[in-house]
Amino acid sequence: QSVLTQPPSVSAAPGQKVTISCSGSSSNIGDNYVSWYQHLPGTAPKLLIYDTYKRPSGIPDRFSGSKSGTSATLGITGLQTGDEADYYCGTWDSSLSANVFGTGTKVTVL
Amino acid sequence: QVQLVQSGAEVKKPGASVRVSCKASGYTFTSYYMHWVRQAPGQGLEWTGVINPSAGTTSYAQKFQGRVTMTRDTSTSTVYMELTSLRSEDTAVYYCARDQEVSLPTEAFDIWGQGTMVTVSS
Repeated sequence: QSVLTQPPSVSAAPGQKVTISCSGSSSNIGDNYVSWYQHLPGTAPKLLIYDTYKRPSGIPDRFSGSKSGTSATLGITGLQTGDEADYYCGTWDSSLSANVFGTGTKVTVL
Repeated sequence: QVQLVQSGAEVKKPGASVRVSCKASGYTFTSYYMHWVRQAPGQGLEWTGVINPSAGTTSYAQKFQGRVTMTRDTSTSTVYMELTSLRSEDTAVYYCARDQEVSLPTEAFDIWGQGTMVTVSS
């Protein structure tokens, strides 16, 4: 049972924007950085965002991260068919002394 | 280039143990913590623990305490994850993943292995 809650799915047409929420608590998101991953079936997860809003080299600025209180958000603008994947948030949980992931969100491009 | 190459798929019986390896190349092995993450069929990602390849120190998720051991061999730049007393619920793809920060464990993993499927079945 994950301590971080995400919507099971979001969808939008090509070129549109989607946002994915990640809801936690004061012991995880509220007190720590958040990362986001893109996971395509049969491949390894890919880091999209770290330190809540930073993008690794090579990740386009269509992907953005933010946080407010105990919730974080991943935004994807200019949606492309190649963005269809599962997306996970992740953070450290100070109470559990463990890294934790969100429940995952499937993005569908209509 | 920076990469992590894992060992091949395993099929084990309940109660057995499995050891998965992860060989790093293209960077200074001892400078980055290494995490292990698993994904059971149809489920999300689950963190199992982390090892400091420099000191060999480890930290495990409470769920796996007593069943998991992470080690490293600095001469071959390889980390290992052993899971004992396997049960059907341990059937999953196991990934090694490098921490994105130098010399610190964080919540972000920038380089991932290709994954190793571990199947536990009688």
